[in-house]
Amino acid sequence: EPEVTQTPSHQVTQMGQEVILRCVPISNHLYFYWYRQILGQKVEFLVSFYNNEISEKSEIFDDQFSVERPDGSNFTLKIRSTKLEDSAMYFCASKKGGENTEAFFGQGTRLTVV
Amino acid sequence: AQKITQTQPGMFVQEKEAVTLDCTYDTSDPSYGLFWYKQPSSGEMIFLIYQGSYDQQNATEGRYSLNFQKARKSANLVISASQLGDSAMYFCAMREGGTGRRALTFGSGTRLQVQP
Repeated sequence: EPEVTQTPSHQVTQMGQEVILRCVPISNHLYFYWYRQILGQKVEFLVSFYNNEISEKSEIFDDQFSVERPDGSNFTLKIRSTKLEDSAMYFCASKKGGENTEAFFGQGTRLTVV
Repeated sequence: AQKITQTQPGMFVQEKEAVTLDCTYDTSDPSYGLFWYKQPSSGEMIFLIYQGSYDQQNATEGRYSLNFQKARKSANLVISASQLGDSAMYFCAMREGGTGRRALTFGSGTRLQVQP
């Protein structure tokens, strides 16, 4: 069964460093998303991507964040200068076209900023 | 106002019994979708069930059913014949709009523990 793949599963980085979280969405999906979940809290939307551009973003997704789909298969989230409060589980999700379809989530990348 | 409200931080259920996890939502959009996801301790998000705002019948998927009461804006998840493997966090989520493009808004979750 096709699945969304995220790498790495766990990343530890020093405050102020740049990190890139990688995702390979399901191949025939059209919509791509990043969410984050701070430990013990709800899942929060960051950004959605469709047709090679940002479709929607939340207030969390500020200038420190960027997304890219560089080669038609990978979908990356970059955090330019990490802060302690960026420590969270980051989920990539993808979705087929059409309204009545669910988003499929990757297994997540746990980011720890020290 | 919260778009998705899950009022039960934790629930216990005996194995083989049914359990209902509550979810209420708030939207002025006539077209929306409601979803339930399961998050086991391993952390991944597993899709369980979907209900569209225009669906006349309650959704069912195996042991999962969604009790959709549109006038009350509630979308409760019913798990029948609970199993030990059902122990997990359960999140209710909503997608507003009819294009299917919008992101999901999640509730705060309910931690379900199934006891033998």
